[in-house]
Amino acid sequence: DAGVIQSPRHEVTEMGQEVTLRCKPISGHDYLFWYRQTMMRGLELLIYFNNNVPIDDSGMPEDRFSAKMPNASFSTLKIQPSEPRDSAVYFCASSPWTGGAREAFFGQGTRLTVV
Amino acid sequence: GQQLNQSPQSMFIQEGEDVSMNCTSSSIFNTWLWYKQDPGEGPVLLIALYKAGELTSNGRLTAQFGITRKDSFLNISASIPSDVGIYFCAGLSGTYKYIFGTGTRLKVLA
Repeated sequence: DAGVIQSPRHEVTEMGQEVTLRCKPISGHDYLFWYRQTMMRGLELLIYFNNNVPIDDSGMPEDRFSAKMPNASFSTLKIQPSEPRDSAVYFCASSPWTGGAREAFFGQGTRLTVV
Repeated sequence: GQQLNQSPQSMFIQEGEDVSMNCTSSSIFNTWLWYKQDPGEGPVLLIALYKAGELTSNGRLTAQFGITRKDSFLNISASIPSDVGIYFCAGLSGTYKYIFGTGTRLKVLA
């Protein structure tokens, strides 16, 4: 299994531009999570999906952030317009949540720098 | 957002020494997970714990689910240079939201 795949690995953009981060979860995993990691706040849950449906987006910082999961093998996190304070590492994780297994598996992350 | 308290925050140890770290919470959890994160990489799952009092090993790593369900412990025996990294705990209660710890940064001196 290839694991959770995120793209791009690094993104540098100018303030005000739209940024789209992509994630392919592990096949068969019903839950997908988007996290943001910063030195100050650690790992923060932004949103999670179950069977492609957004369940809890209370961690999304503001309306500039949106996430979609059009099918079981693809999700996007979009920031529009981007701001310097959005600079962070964004992780996608997936979990099977079956048979009592509740482990979450992370991708390698996208390091976003907004200048 | 909520974070779990991990201790110590960082530690330097000599190669071959044993390492202990812990994670505490004011809330009860029914699952504890331990991850290791290398620079520039995502967290990698080390051990999952599902029952209070459970003790689980993965090679040189041993983790325990605290009896009170408010804490968890990770031990690394005979540390080696590749153990360097940041170790995170994560707790899960009745929801699907994993709450992560503040991390323990481990540095191993050869």
